[in-house]
Amino acid sequence: DAGVIQSPRHEVTEMGQEVTLRCKPISGHNSLFWYRQTMMRGLELLIYFNNNVPIDDSGMPEDRFSAKMPNASFSTLKIQPSEPRDSAVYFCASSLPGVNTGELFFGEGSRLTVL
Amino acid sequence: AQKVTQAQTEISVVEKEDVTLDCVYETRDTTYYLFWYKQPPSGELVFLIRRNSFDEQNEISGRYSWNFQKSTSSFNFTITASQVVDSAVYFCALREMGQFYFGTGTSLTVIP
Repeated sequence: DAGVIQSPRHEVTEMGQEVTLRCKPISGHNSLFWYRQTMMRGLELLIYFNNNVPIDDSGMPEDRFSAKMPNASFSTLKIQPSEPRDSAVYFCASSLPGVNTGELFFGEGSRLTVL
Repeated sequence: AQKVTQAQTEISVVEKEDVTLDCVYETRDTTYYLFWYKQPPSGELVFLIRRNSFDEQNEISGRYSWNFQKSTSSFNFTITASQVVDSAVYFCALREMGQFYFGTGTSLTVIP
């Protein structure tokens, strides 16, 4: 079975540019999470979708960040305009239906570097 | 308040030593799940174990064992006879009301 698929794996861009990160969750998983990981702040939850609906976006840093899940098999995280402090590894993860059951399955991450 | 606390930031052990990684959690729910994840130097996050709040039996998987104690809200992870390949950052996590809460991780270095 394919796991969570993220693209791109690496992205280097210049400050001010738009960045779009993509995620395909595991088929049948109805919960999708976007996390950001940095040395300074560790693993931070950015946003969480359940059945394609954003449930908690309190972790989204500011208006420059937006996330969408147009269908059960695709999600995007967009940063516009990007800033050097956005440099991090961004993980997408999905889990099975059920409020408390199921572990998170993580993608391999998208490493973003903003110059 | 932190829902999951991993007080040990970094641990170094010599190969073949046993090591225990501590995890303390906070929840008011009666139904919840606890997890451990491993993040090796390559960067991916690997699921290790899930434990629900109604099952306090300890679990052993090869060199890995987990001690879940509701009385102390702890879910500790022990690696027996550590190996260099165990060097990684280990995260403890709590799932309640659909959300996941991760600890800050413990970086384990196993010295050959």
